[in-house]
Amino acid sequence: GESVGLHLPTLSVQEGDNSIINCAYSNSASDYFIWYKQESGKGPQFIIDIRSNMDKRQGQRVTVLLNKTVKHLSLQIAATQPGDSAVYFCAENNNAGNMLTFGGGTRLMVKP
Amino acid sequence: ETGVTQSPTHLIKTRGQQVTLRCSSQSGHNTVSWYQQALGQGPQFIFQYYREEENGRGNFPPRFSGLQFPNYSSELNVNALELDDSALYLCASSNERGGADTQYFGPGTRLTVL
Repeated sequence: GESVGLHLPTLSVQEGDNSIINCAYSNSASDYFIWYKQESGKGPQFIIDIRSNMDKRQGQRVTVLLNKTVKHLSLQIAATQPGDSAVYFCAENNNAGNMLTFGGGTRLMVKP
Repeated sequence: ETGVTQSPTHLIKTRGQQVTLRCSSQSGHNTVSWYQQALGQGPQFIFQYYREEENGRGNFPPRFSGLQFPNYSSELNVNALELDDSALYLCASSNERGGADTQYFGPGTRLTVL
């Protein structure tokens, strides 16, 4: 079936370095993608989103890139900080608009 | 904080029992979606309510049911609990049918079925 997945289950980076978290999706009809951050014991927290008519979107220290040709999504975090340590999920909003399909998550660990 | 609240925070039930989980949506949001998150996995869509009507359902059996009230708060009911129902249950609120608007999540209810 259609799914959203991630390439790397765990990513360890040095504080201050840039982080890149990748995600592959398979539903070519999806038109909206979201990155969420989930800390232990908490619900997913919205980070940034992108619609299918865009290739890139920037926020504060975060950038999302969308490559529709290869159905690939990435989240870039600049100057990674210890507070960025969490599990990151990409999610896909189907074209019916009523559900999010999540990948399995990538754990980001930031070393001081 | 998203303004989405859920209760209770934690809950322990035994197999065969029934449970009701509650969610208050963010002010101005008329859509509530429920997700089940097993340990170490991403959330799985259960169903969505828009203006008190079910508006889409994931691959969950009928013993998972829900309600949305006129103030847009929502309940998730699970009957005949099974061990595999142990999970974090998340609700998310959004405006309109969630198609063009971001879903904001509450902190979740941790359900343990013994």
